[in-house]
Amino acid sequence: LAKTTQPISMDSYEGQEVNITCSHNNIATNDYITWYQQFPSQGPRFIIQGYKTKVTNEVASLFIPADRKSSTLSLPRVSLSDTAVYYCLVGGGSGYSTLTFGKGTMLLVSP
Amino acid sequence: GAVVSQHPSRVICKSGTSVKIECRSLDFQATTMFWYRQFPKQSLMLMATSNEGSKATYEQGVEKDKFLINHASLTLSTLTVTSAHPEDSSFYICSAQRPDSKNNEQFFGPGTRLTVL
Repeated sequence: LAKTTQPISMDSYEGQEVNITCSHNNIATNDYITWYQQFPSQGPRFIIQGYKTKVTNEVASLFIPADRKSSTLSLPRVSLSDTAVYYCLVGGGSGYSTLTFGKGTMLLVSP
Repeated sequence: GAVVSQHPSRVICKSGTSVKIECRSLDFQATTMFWYRQFPKQSLMLMATSNEGSKATYEQGVEKDKFLINHASLTLSTLTVTSAHPEDSSFYICSAQRPDSKNNEQFFGPGTRLTVL
C-alpha cells in the first residue's frame, strides 16, 4: 500500500485559501487519491477523490501533477468550521479495497 | 445517499464484560464493512474487513477471539469486544462499501466511544 506524507499541522485564518500537500511517491498505476475530513469524535467524511490533473467539487479542489507522486487539496475561503484533521489516502485501485490512514494534517482556522 | 449508522454512540462498561457495537448501512446494501479503532490524537487503524456471509479478515496484531465480528446481513455488521479491559478504551469506527461503488469508496459511521473502567 502506498504510504502518504502530509504536514502534521497547518494554521490559517478565516477567508483564506488553504492548500494541503500530500506526498505519495510509490503510488501505483491503479491507485486513486482520496481526501477525508474528520472532526473530533466523528467518523471521517469524504471530501474529494481524483486520479490525475484537477478535480473540483462544491467544497474543494484536488490538484494532481502528471507524475502523481503528490497531490494538493485546496480549500477556498476557509471558515472556523473547517478546523479538522484532513487525511490523504491512496488506493482503491482494482484488486483491493482497504484504506490506510496516515497521520493526517490538523488544520486550525482562527478568526 | 450512503448513510452509515453506529449504535451505541458511546458506552461505558466494567472491566471483564463484553460490549457489542452495531454498524448499519441505512440506505444501501454493503457487501463489505470495515472496522477501525482510533486512540486519542492518533489516526484510524484498520482492525478487520468483514464480508457478508463469511469470516472477517483481521489485520496483523488484532486478536480475532477478542474482537468478534459478525456480518450476518448486507446492512448489519457487529463488533463485540469480549472481556474488555481499560486498554480497549478507544473510538471504534465502522465503514461500509457499496457493491456498485466507484473506486472502492467507503462511507463511515459516526463512531462509538468505548470506555472501560
